[in-house]
Amino acid sequence: QSVLTQPPSVSGAPGQRVTISCTGSSSNIGTGYDVHWYQQLPGTAPKLLIYGNNNRPSGVPERFSGSKSGTSASLAITGLQAEDEADYYCQSYDSSLSGSRVFGTGTKVTVL
Amino acid sequence: QLHLQESGPGLVKPSETLSLTCTVSGGSISNTNSYWGWIRQPPGKGLEWIGSIYYSGSTYYNPSLKSRVTISVETSKNQFSLKLRSVTAADTAVYYCARRREWTVAGNFVTAFDIWGQGTMVTVSS
Repeated sequence: QSVLTQPPSVSGAPGQRVTISCTGSSSNIGTGYDVHWYQQLPGTAPKLLIYGNNNRPSGVPERFSGSKSGTSASLAITGLQAEDEADYYCQSYDSSLSGSRVFGTGTKVTVL
Repeated sequence: QLHLQESGPGLVKPSETLSLTCTVSGGSISNTNSYWGWIRQPPGKGLEWIGSIYYSGSTYYNPSLKSRVTISVETSKNQFSLKLRSVTAADTAVYYCARRREWTVAGNFVTAFDIWGQGTMVTVSS
């Protein structure tokens, strides 16, 4: 029963640009709480991809970028590569759930 | 390089208590810019935050699990632990421990899970 909604899947050809949306509400993203993004390759632990809406940790390629507006956030992957095929999750904080850290429903990115 | 490793039984009987430990190496669990958390992922499903703890012992729990969860820290061993009581099949999942780090970015306070353990599968079954 996640409070952050993502599309179940997105796909694109190598080299294309894809975006993943993360829709929240006035008790989380809409209040101004930060959004973070994680990449989970098959059979592995999640990896921090974007923190604080649009910051990349060291080692994350520049083709990954994040943005936030209103009650939603987005992750963009430009120049899609085969190695980007993975599950992606957004994460934020929700003030209506006693200070819960909440994750999005997850999006499977398929490289055609 | 900070490393987290989960350990504990892979099989727990229904109604019993699930107990896991996360050992932190390559850094101190008492680092003031770090919180330590547990996140789980049922097979084929998404991520669910269980709770977090600070080295001082302050805890924060998911309201949906709060009545069954206890997270504790043992700074002398650089470990923190999870106990989940009265488990059912719905608690079957991969359990991850992770560090929630705090940064200051352009004057703003930011916190996210930046380092994760490899995860451990726990099955609830008789």
